[in-house]
Amino acid sequence: RKEVEQDPGPFNVPEGATVAFNCTYSNSASQSFFWYRQDCRKEPKLLMSVYSSGNEDGRFTAQLNRASQYISLLIRDSKLSDSATYLCVVNGAGKSTFGDGTTLTVKP
Amino acid sequence: GAVVSQHPSRVICKSGTSVKIECRSLDFQATTMFWYRQFPKQSLMLMATSNEGSKATYEQGVEKDKFLINHASLTLSTLTVTSAHPEDSSFYICSATGPHDTEAFFGQGTRLTVV
Repeated sequence: RKEVEQDPGPFNVPEGATVAFNCTYSNSASQSFFWYRQDCRKEPKLLMSVYSSGNEDGRFTAQLNRASQYISLLIRDSKLSDSATYLCVVNGAGKSTFGDGTTLTVKP
Repeated sequence: GAVVSQHPSRVICKSGTSVKIECRSLDFQATTMFWYRQFPKQSLMLMATSNEGSKATYEQGVEKDKFLINHASLTLSTLTVTSAHPEDSSFYICSATGPHDTEAFFGQGTRLTVV
């Protein structure tokens, strides 16, 4: 079993749709959690941190459920520019572990 | 925020030659840096953890004699792909965890093409 598992995707949605990604992790001692966005042939960029209390930034909402060991990312009112690969990242013991990424394509 | 600089961004080399990639933390000290490889349409795969002043820790299946890592200072880690072959062509990215063990900061990545 992988340490971090993401929805396989790909997700193809129309503009304006709401889309949600989930990610589970196996190490209960994991300390911090993030969502990154990666555009084709570019390095990953931090999208947002994930807290137990939930974290909202505009159209993006991230949540952490420690008991069930999963994190989620919700994107509302999808834009064409949201098309990218979204990576969940779990930190622990000074190491970052990435999910395989979920590819989102938003279509007109 | 913290900045990690990686170069070169792109390199084309002949089969059998060696290529060195540098990763620098510009405004913080990084005792640990990470090297990843990403093949087209695949996820980032951790190759090794680079520890300042000590040997790197390699992930299973990664040849330490082929991918030489040196982390001689708190701000610089280098990855040398020795005797590169076409199958080593990939996107290599380094990262360092921020000063307070917060999010990871990534270099710009290096696209290596071995011909």
